Amino acid sequence: ETGVTQTPRHLVMGMTNKKSLKCEQHLGHNAMYWYKQSAKKPLELMFVYNFKEQTENNSVPSRFSPECPNSSHLFLHLHTLQPEDSALYLCASSQDGQGAPNQPQHFGDGTRLSIL
Amino acid sequence: LAKTTQPISMDSYEGQEVNITCSHNNIATNDYITWYQQFPSQGPRFIIQGYKTKVTNEVASLFIPADRKSSTLSLPRVSLSDTAVYYCLVGDMDSSYKLIFGSGTRLLVRP
Repeated sequence: ETGVTQTPRHLVMGMTNKKSLKCEQHLGHNAMYWYKQSAKKPLELMFVYNFKEQTENNSVPSRFSPECPNSSHLFLHLHTLQPEDSALYLCASSQDGQGAPNQPQHFGDGTRLSIL
Repeated sequence: LAKTTQPISMDSYEGQEVNITCSHNNIATNDYITWYQQFPSQGPRFIIQGYKTKVTNEVASLFIPADRKSSTLSLPRVSLSDTAVYYCLVGDMDSSYKLIFGSGTRLLVRP
C-alpha cells in the first residue's frame, strides 16, 4: 500500500470514447503528478500540480486534460486518443512540489490503458 | 537538470551483494540523489536518497564519493524478489518535482 490509489487499474477504449483516470492520495501531500510509461520506455512526466495549481505541462497533447479539484485528488480526462497513447499511466504525489529536494515521490500502481 | 547514466542490465544470484553505479557528472550543488525500484505493472517505489558520503536504511546503502559525480546503490544479499528495474535520479531544490527518469538498470536475480 503506497497511499496513492489509482482507478481503474485497466481500461480499454476506442479512439472516439471519453474516459477519465482517477488518482487519490491519502498522504497529506500537496503536489501531484501524472506520468506516462510506454512499453520499454522511461517514464515521461506529463503534468504537475502544486497546491491545486498546474505548474508543469510537459507539452502534452490537448486530448489529455488534467483536473485537480483538491490536493488529494487528480484526474486525467481522455478524449479522442490515438493507438500510440496506449501505455501505463502513473500518478504520484509528494509533500511539496517546490520545496526541499529530499521529498521522494510516492507512486500509485497505474492504469494500464489500451486504445483500440 | 543533471543527466544520469546507468548500466542497462545486470545479472546476479541469490544471496550476493549487488552494486549498481550511476554516473552524474553534471550534478549541481543543490542536487540530491534518489533511487527508485520498479516491478512490472507497478509504480516506482522510493528506495533511498542521499546528498554525500554514505546513507543506509533497512533495504539498501547508498555510497556517494566526495566529488558526487557518481553514486552506488548497494543491495545486500539479494533475493529473487529483488528482480526489478532500478532508477537513479538527480534533482535540485528549484525543480525537485521535475524528476527525469532514464531507462534504469534491469536487475535479474537468478536462483
